[in-house]
Amino acid sequence: QKEVEQDPGPLSVPEGAIVSLNCTYSNSAFQYFMWYRQYSRKGPELLMYTYSSGNKEDGRFTAQVDKSSKYISLFIRDSQPSDSATYLCAMSGGLGSRLTFGEGTQLTVNP
Amino acid sequence: ETGVTQTPRHLVMGMTNKKSLKCEQHLGHNAMYWYKQSAKKPLELMFVYNFKEQTENNSVPSRFSPECPNSSHLFLHLHTLQPEDSALYLCASSQLGREKDTQYFGPGTRLTVL
Repeated sequence: QKEVEQDPGPLSVPEGAIVSLNCTYSNSAFQYFMWYRQYSRKGPELLMYTYSSGNKEDGRFTAQVDKSSKYISLFIRDSQPSDSATYLCAMSGGLGSRLTFGEGTQLTVNP
Repeated sequence: ETGVTQTPRHLVMGMTNKKSLKCEQHLGHNAMYWYKQSAKKPLELMFVYNFKEQTENNSVPSRFSPECPNSSHLFLHLHTLQPEDSALYLCASSQLGREKDTQYFGPGTRLTVL
């Protein structure tokens, strides 16, 4: 069983839609949760960073962590064509610990 | 130059060639990483350097040899690679010891082994 499960998609939505991206994990020691965005031919860039359970909002993006269910989500409101990218979830057990990545979900937002 | 840079961006090599990938970080960080990204697979951590000392080797074959001459530069020396080594090789850096040790990635080197 993979430590982190992420639906690879591809996911295609119309512009303006609400997008929900999800990851599940099995290691209860994970405390730090991240979402990276990777455009084609680029390296991943950090989008959201959360510690433990709860919600974090940044503009059109909201990250949710439910440690009791070992489930994290990224919501994108009013999605734009510029949001088309691969979204990677990542998590770690502590500061300085290695990151464990999901497979990535490929998202396309159609104008 | 800003952030994390990698050269070359693309590399095609034969199985008997020797080549090197270069990474430079302009962020003043103290840790650097090599990752392998293959299609349909999660990022695989290969090596970690903390203050120029290798702190992790994630069971990587010896045909991959890292070198970290200082805290800003990281190399990955390649020799007698296999076609299954074709992938995107990503370098990252972070500042360990901070409240949030975010990893910053370079654009990657797309490697094709013939």
